[in-house]
Amino acid sequence: DIQMTQSPSSVSASVGDRVTIACRASQAITNSLSWYQQQPGKAPKLLIYAASSLHTGVPSRFSGGGFGTNFTLTISSLQPEDFATYYCQQGYSRPLTFGGGTKVEIK
Amino acid sequence: QVQLQESGPGLVKPSETLSLTCTVSGYSISSTSYYWGWSRQPPGKGLEWIGSISYTGKTFYNPSLSSRVTISVDTSKNQFSLNLSSVTAADTAVYYCARIRSRESLVFWGWGQGILVTVSS
Repeated sequence: DIQMTQSPSSVSASVGDRVTIACRASQAITNSLSWYQQQPGKAPKLLIYAASSLHTGVPSRFSGGGFGTNFTLTISSLQPEDFATYYCQQGYSRPLTFGGGTKVEIK
Repeated sequence: QVQLQESGPGLVKPSETLSLTCTVSGYSISSTSYYWGWSRQPPGKGLEWIGSISYTGKTFYNPSLSSRVTISVDTSKNQFSLNLSSVTAADTAVYYCARIRSRESLVFWGWGQGILVTVSS
């Protein structure tokens, strides 16, 4: 199985801050990496797929990058609705696996 | 707009079988571009992929659960289902159904709202 490791596990930030979350795969997965946002009590929502492609309707302040084993999700200017937990997921091979999540909290 | 809706019992006894159905609306489950899958999230924890199925019935299961999991599809009803046998308290979780795009990589393109299933006597 491909293990996905996210860091940090939580981050405290203020509205307007730039936030970057890292995701590392235990083996190379080309650009087969997606990011999801989950609000408390809600289902995850797709933000980014193919490492850097923005899903329809997702604000442009979200961006993704990386290839191989190291990936990042960046929120350029944090908005109140962005306080949530973020998960990365590899879609390179089954079993599909998720990172442990990064909780973005209000500072 | 594509919608997925999970249904089934919210309480299952230990050693019994958990059975859930996902009803898809706004999109034909017979699409060749997507798989249909199940994931779960124990309270306060992360996400785990359970398995997926194509409209032809080809299945893929997480090896960690494969001995207890069966996923099936009913194209006439635009539904797919999950059976998880011999459940224990460790299977208590929110269960999500999802549409999984299968192009260059596998992406959870859309999710149901989730259903909490508690395993308890």
